[in-house]
Amino acid sequence: NAGVMQNPRHLVRRRGQEARLRCSPMKGHSHVYWYRQLPEEGLKFMVYLQKENIIDESGMPKERFSAEFPKEGPSILRIQQVVRGDSAAYFCASSPTTRGDVNEAFFGQGTRLTVV
Amino acid sequence: AQSVTQLDSQVPVFEEAPVELRCNYSSSVSVYLFWYVQYPNQGLQLLLKYLSGSTLVKGINGFEAEFNKSQTSFHLRKPSVHISDTAEYFCAVSSYNQGGKLIFGQGTELSVKP
Repeated sequence: NAGVMQNPRHLVRRRGQEARLRCSPMKGHSHVYWYRQLPEEGLKFMVYLQKENIIDESGMPKERFSAEFPKEGPSILRIQQVVRGDSAAYFCASSPTTRGDVNEAFFGQGTRLTVV
Repeated sequence: AQSVTQLDSQVPVFEEAPVELRCNYSSSVSVYLFWYVQYPNQGLQLLLKYLSGSTLVKGINGFEAEFNKSQTSFHLRKPSVHISDTAEYFCAVSSYNQGGKLIFGQGTELSVKP
C-alpha cells in the first residue's frame, strides 16, 4: 500500500510563473490536507479538501493560491505568479475519514518549492 | 482558537541520556494531541497520539508522552536517546470540531551527540 505521494519533490520556478503541486492520497483515503513549512518554522495549515469539496480553506492566502481535489486524479495545489516568499516546503497529508473520529493523518515527503 | 507552544527550539543531548521535549497548548474545547518526527528532507511520521483514556501514551521508537490537562501540557520523553533520534519534533493539536486539521508548534530540533 503506497503512502501519500507528492510530486515533484523539488520544483524551481522563476518569479511570476505558476507552480502546480500534486498529491495522491493513500488508497482508500478521501480527505486531503495541505500544509506549508517556511524555513525555520513549523507547519501551517492551508486547506482541507474532500473529493470535489473544499471543507476548510482558512489557512489559504487570499490571492494566487488555489486547491482542488477532483473526483478522479490527485489533489492539486496551484500557486499563480509565484514570489520569493512562496519558497517553502509544501506537505500533503491524507486520512480515511473524519466523521467525528480523529484518524491518523499520513504525510507525504513534501514538495520543496524554490522561487528564483 | 487553538495554539501550540514548543518551549525549546533546540535541545542538544548526549547519546544514552534522557530527554524531554516540552509542549504546551491552548484550547477552549477538548483536544487531541500528537507528536510527529521529521527527519531531514523527509515528511512527518507520527510518534504517538492522545485521544482519550490513559494520560500516559507510549509511541514508537521508545518515546512516551503524558497529557496533563491542568497544566495544558503534553511533554515528550525518552529515557535513553540514540544518535538516530536526531531530528525535528513537532507537537500538534486537533479537536472534534476541526476535522483532521492539525495545529502545529514551531518544532524542537533534537541533536544527539556521541
